[in-house]
Amino acid sequence: GDSVTQMEGPVTLSEEAFLTINCTYTATGYPSLFWYVQYPGEGLQLLLKATKADDKGSNKGFEATYRKETTSFHLEKGSVQVSDSAVYFCAPRSGQAGTALIFGKGTTLSVSS
Amino acid sequence: DGGITQSPKYLFRKEGQNVTLSCEQNLNHDAMYWYRQDPGQGLRLIYYSQIVNDFQKGDIAEGYSVSREKKESFPLTVTSAQKNPTAFYLCASTALGGLAFRADTQYFGPGTRLTVL
Repeated sequence: GDSVTQMEGPVTLSEEAFLTINCTYTATGYPSLFWYVQYPGEGLQLLLKATKADDKGSNKGFEATYRKETTSFHLEKGSVQVSDSAVYFCAPRSGQAGTALIFGKGTTLSVSS
Repeated sequence: DGGITQSPKYLFRKEGQNVTLSCEQNLNHDAMYWYRQDPGQGLRLIYYSQIVNDFQKGDIAEGYSVSREKKESFPLTVTSAQKNPTAFYLCASTALGGLAFRADTQYFGPGTRLTVL
């Protein structure tokens, strides 16, 4: 079945450090790809998305590029802030379950000043 | 403002009781979903519905039930058959249809934290 693998956390960084969170997936066909962010005690918010190969999604300084050849969608940010501390989820849109998303286990990011 | 509301924010259940979690959306979205979140396991799909009066089981439907009598409402009942219901429950919705349906964003509510006493 469809699945997604994210790098294990927690990821601990100092403010202004470079961030990479790896994400690879297996899915039917060519899924759309999403990154969501969850702040403590809250629901998930869309961070960025990409709908076809080589598309780059970007938002709030975060970027991710849809790599069909490596089935990856790694999240990057050039300079993290303390306010970026949260849990990040990679999610392809699965063709098997209609329009439901398949979520990874999430990666916890902790940024210190 | 449009969005998804879930209530209550915190819910406590005694062993053997059924409880119902509310999810309402005013986004005019066709599809709605329930996910369960446990620490270290990400989100798992419980049920989803793409149209009124129809719904489908997700990966972990056992011990749960849903209804979709209105487009804007998708309540989840956690029954006594669910042996380990303590978790964070998230409701989501998305629009369907059109050429760009695969790219439609799934919007999430704030969640309900259920604890079994």
